[in-house]
Amino acid sequence: GQSLEQPSEVTAVEGAIVQINCTYQTSGFYGLSWYQQHDGGAPTFLSYNGLDGLEETGRFSSFLSRSDSYGYLLLQELQMKDSASYFCAVRAPYGQNFVFGPGTRLSVLP
Amino acid sequence: GAVVSQHPSWVICKSGTSVKIECRSLDFQATTMFWYRQFPKQSLMLMATSNEGSKATYEQGVEKDKFLINHASLTLSTLTVTSAHPEDSSFYICSAKKASPADTQYFGPGTRLTVL
Repeated sequence: GQSLEQPSEVTAVEGAIVQINCTYQTSGFYGLSWYQQHDGGAPTFLSYNGLDGLEETGRFSSFLSRSDSYGYLLLQELQMKDSASYFCAVRAPYGQNFVFGPGTRLSVLP
Repeated sequence: GAVVSQHPSWVICKSGTSVKIECRSLDFQATTMFWYRQFPKQSLMLMATSNEGSKATYEQGVEKDKFLINHASLTLSTLTVTSAHPEDSSFYICSAKKASPADTQYFGPGTRLTVL
């Protein structure tokens, strides 16, 4: 099966940089995705890593190390609107669905 | 683009009634759609995988007779919560998978169900 671990909460101030880690255990690996979800809203896709290394998309970057079964989401120049829950997710090996981590609630303070 | 809509966005119903939630991919064809359930401050839990033209695949512990899923076309999947009870109150979210990129799902805005 699949299991993912993330910190439950992270707090940072505006303008800062924050890193949200994700470790996973899977019986097969097809890449790590990151989603953002604001309270009351649906998840929105942020980033995907299929290979080792860093993927950058504007203020957000995501990193993957398959040998360590580890990835992280890096948020730079934090803004108040970045306050949300962030989920890492892996694809199930024998299906097409995703398994989501427990989520990390990011609070950005002024 | 990849837009997925859900209707209704919220619904309040009496215990014992049935509620239908629609999920549509507006600008792409989705051979596979997923239905998730999310309780407050918790992660998304997959309920079932819906494939166009075939029976849905339900996750362990999800009652298929209670949560009826129909994927009638490449752009529409419906979830019907039958004989709803207060414990069914939750946030239901659908997602649709595009052919490419392969590991990206596009989520609908969700449906907040409250059963009185």
